[in-house]
Amino acid sequence: QVQLVESGGGVVQPGRSLRLSCAASGFTFSSSAMHWVRQAPGKGLEWVAVISYDGIKKYYADSVKGRFTISRDNSKNTLILQMNSLRAEDTAVYYCARADFIGPSYFLDFWGQGTLVTVSS
Amino acid sequence: SYVLTQPPSVSVAPGQTARITCGGNNIGTKRVHWYQQKPGQAPVLVVYGDSDRPSGIPERLSGSHSGNTATLTISRVEAGDEADYYCQVWDNSSDHPGVFGGGTKLTVL
Repeated sequence: QVQLVESGGGVVQPGRSLRLSCAASGFTFSSSAMHWVRQAPGKGLEWVAVISYDGIKKYYADSVKGRFTISRDNSKNTLILQMNSLRAEDTAVYYCARADFIGPSYFLDFWGQGTLVTVSS
Repeated sequence: SYVLTQPPSVSVAPGQTARITCGGNNIGTKRVHWYQQKPGQAPVLVVYGDSDRPSGIPERLSGSHSGNTATLTISRVEAGDEADYYCQVWDNSSDHPGVFGGGTKLTVL
């Protein structure tokens, strides 16, 4: 069965960096686009970034563009989110999710359990 | 950027029908997807492509699309349906294409 397990969350000071990972199993990772989505405490879902199956195409939310980088290692079935210049408003649970496609739209068919990132001094 | 609008809350008695709406400019031209999130849990896909259900999702949950509004309908509501529900679209005309609605809290009275 599809499994997505996020790791790397924790408490970090403003302006510092953090690297999140998502270990995928139970499907052909190298054939699937992947997303990161976050949820601030008590708030709704916010889409963060997507990466194509081959790592070539990447798109970001305006709120993280230039600070966050999405990448993947298909040899290790791992999705990465490198987060730099963190701000208090980046505090959230970060979910990785597998993308599926029904023309012309992506949706997120399986989600991990999330990892909490807290940005605080 | 594209905006999806959902009512913050919907309340319904058990056994009744709940309708959760999702509005957006020309949403009729987009495929709408719906997620259910219970407290402390990750979201779960319940409807994709406007009206298709993943395996394991009961037929009581259905999606529809009319004009500028998409609707998630939950028939014969049960206590276990109490959750937050989010709509989502993919805006291919944008360089930040992933869009979620603000979410609707369904309360079963």
